[in-house]
Amino acid sequence: DGGITQSPKYLFRKEGQNVTLSCEQNLNHDAMYWYRQDPGQGLRLIYYSQIVNDFQKGDIAEGYSVSREKKESFPLTVTSAQKNPTAFYLCASSLFQAHGYTFGSGTRLTVV
Amino acid sequence: GQQVMQIPQYQHVQEGEDFTTYCNSSTTLSNIQWYKQRPGGHPVFLIQLVKSGEVKKQKRLTFQFGEAKKNSSLHITATQTTDVGTYFCAGLGAGGTSYGKLTFGQGTILTVHP
Repeated sequence: DGGITQSPKYLFRKEGQNVTLSCEQNLNHDAMYWYRQDPGQGLRLIYYSQIVNDFQKGDIAEGYSVSREKKESFPLTVTSAQKNPTAFYLCASSLFQAHGYTFGSGTRLTVV
Repeated sequence: GQQVMQIPQYQHVQEGEDFTTYCNSSTTLSNIQWYKQRPGGHPVFLIQLVKSGEVKKQKRLTFQFGEAKKNSSLHITATQTTDVGTYFCAGLGAGGTSYGKLTFGQGTILTVHP
């Protein structure tokens, strides 16, 4: 079955360490996105990519970095510069930007 | 920038009661999308509305898009315990600096008491 796979589901890191969250899709979607969700809040866009080797900053890109070397993959690195990295991270993809999004099951990152 | 406000933030209902959540955008939208997130889960796409004044139904769910394409609503008739979750609207900007940008509302958390 087609879908988006995020791994790992839970991730614990020490403060000051960079960490990379994986996102892979086999839906042949061109557009991919990273969102952050904090308790009781909506989804805030971190980065998005509409095509391979191109990506754009979202509303809260500071402290994060991404790459899009393959159509299927859009990994997110949470750097030590991100001041409050503990959150639920959601990856999504869509056929094109105006289409409904398919979300992965998310990664819960806890930084201690 | 584009803002999408959703009310209410929380709604508690008895099973069998109706439920409505409202979504308002600060700018005109190309389309509005609705998602449902079960507790502990991830958002799942429900529907997309594109036309001014459009109304779509999915079983007990009715979705409306306002005439001015700046507001939308989701109505659930006779709620069931399986309806529990957070309902998000997301608006795609139609022009200016918000063109092509999908902005999510904060969501409405629905609890259903059996």
